[in-house]
Amino acid sequence: ILNVEQSPQSLHVQEGDSTNFTCSFPSSNFYALHWYRWETAKSPEALFVMTLNGDEKKKGRISATLNTKEGYSYLYIKGSQPEDSATYLCAPNFGNEKLTFGTGTRLTIIP
Amino acid sequence: EAGVTQSPTHLIKTRGQQATLRCSPISGHTSVYWYQQALGLGLQFLLWYDEGEERNRGNFPPRFSGRQFPNYSSELNVNALELEDSALYLCASSSDPGRNSPLHFGNGTRLTVT
Repeated sequence: ILNVEQSPQSLHVQEGDSTNFTCSFPSSNFYALHWYRWETAKSPEALFVMTLNGDEKKKGRISATLNTKEGYSYLYIKGSQPEDSATYLCAPNFGNEKLTFGTGTRLTIIP
Repeated sequence: EAGVTQSPTHLIKTRGQQATLRCSPISGHTSVYWYQQALGLGLQFLLWYDEGEERNRGNFPPRFSGRQFPNYSSELNVNALELEDSALYLCASSSDPGRNSPLHFGNGTRLTVT
């Protein structure tokens, strides 16, 4: 069983503050790391797909880094806004074309 | 571009019955994935279809099965329903079954087994 851990499980952040959370995964047989945002009553939406050690991706105020040697990825949100409230899921791919999802970090932005 | 569509939105069945869930991928996508999210758990991989063939399945019993049609739409069947099958079932499609393509998810089917 491949263990994918996300921390913290939940997070409350004041509007305007920046925040980050972690995805940890086994580093062996790693091929790619996906990040998804899942808003309530909507479907999960892809944010990033990262493959290379040291990779850094950015989409507006959201960015992510990847360390494949030690098996972790960080997701950063700068200047949090209410629309950032969602569950953020990471999902590594270990080479068998199926993603193993973590249980997510539930982010709530306090206005 | 129309997104991934799933039907029905909600489905209520009794224990022992069969449930059929349907998914239409984004036009041009040949890969369809099924995931289950039971209460308190993360998304669990169920099945992957590509070009009409089952390519991979997760750790679920054989009563979870499905198929992919020539138009790449897919069906998930759950036989002999058990209470613990109550969950949100998400379908996703991908343009490239390789490892670097993001998944595009539907809104899911909420299955309730009573």
